[in-house]
Amino acid sequence: NAGVMQNPRHLVRRRGQEARLRCSPMKGHSHVYWYRQLPEEGLKFMVYLQKENIIDESGMPKERFSAEFPKEGPSILRIQQVVRGDSAAYFCASSQLRDGYTFGSGTRLTVV
Amino acid sequence: TQLLEQSPQFLSIQEGENLTVYCNSSSVFSSLQWYRQEPGEGPVLLVTVVTGGEVKKLKRLTFQFGDARKDSSLHITAAQPGDTGLYLCAGLDGSSNTGKLIFGQGTTLQVKP
Repeated sequence: NAGVMQNPRHLVRRRGQEARLRCSPMKGHSHVYWYRQLPEEGLKFMVYLQKENIIDESGMPKERFSAEFPKEGPSILRIQQVVRGDSAAYFCASSQLRDGYTFGSGTRLTVV
Repeated sequence: TQLLEQSPQFLSIQEGENLTVYCNSSSVFSSLQWYRQEPGEGPVLLVTVVTGGEVKKLKRLTFQFGDARKDSSLHITAAQPGDTGLYLCAGLDGSSNTGKLIFGQGTTLQVKP
């Protein structure tokens, strides 16, 4: 198991396009968290999911952002109609017991 | 709202020097984690402290959790260029019971040879 896999590593989108970020958790991990990081800053919680359920989305912007973790396949963070302010690094982390996180290498989104 | 304040924000030192990074809050955390992040990569967990007053050592790194579980520190002895990176503290948000972390803004450490 190579750990938490995120793809793509880098994503460039024009304003108004959609961005899809994928995260495959570590084998056996059923908890997935998404965080956003702006340059030179710490990470900000966005959403916490378990298989087929959104548990806590208190950090997600109310519009344009959505997340899912289907029964089969990776977790997806979707950003519709991207704006320049969405440019950031998006990290996914997985855990088995809601602690002991393992983070992926992130997706760096650039909106031009 | 729980917040974590890290200081200093930036630190540039010479190889061999000692340094301490602080992480402070007015809130109590059930546990606190320290991560190190290198450019272009995700954070890597260094240590988790759970008990007030706890001290953990990882080679040249010493982590301490305050008695009241509101603050923590990371001390590095004889820093080396390989210690360069972004150090993040993160507290487990006890108000939600969902395992989400509240991160400090990070300390960027540069160790010059």
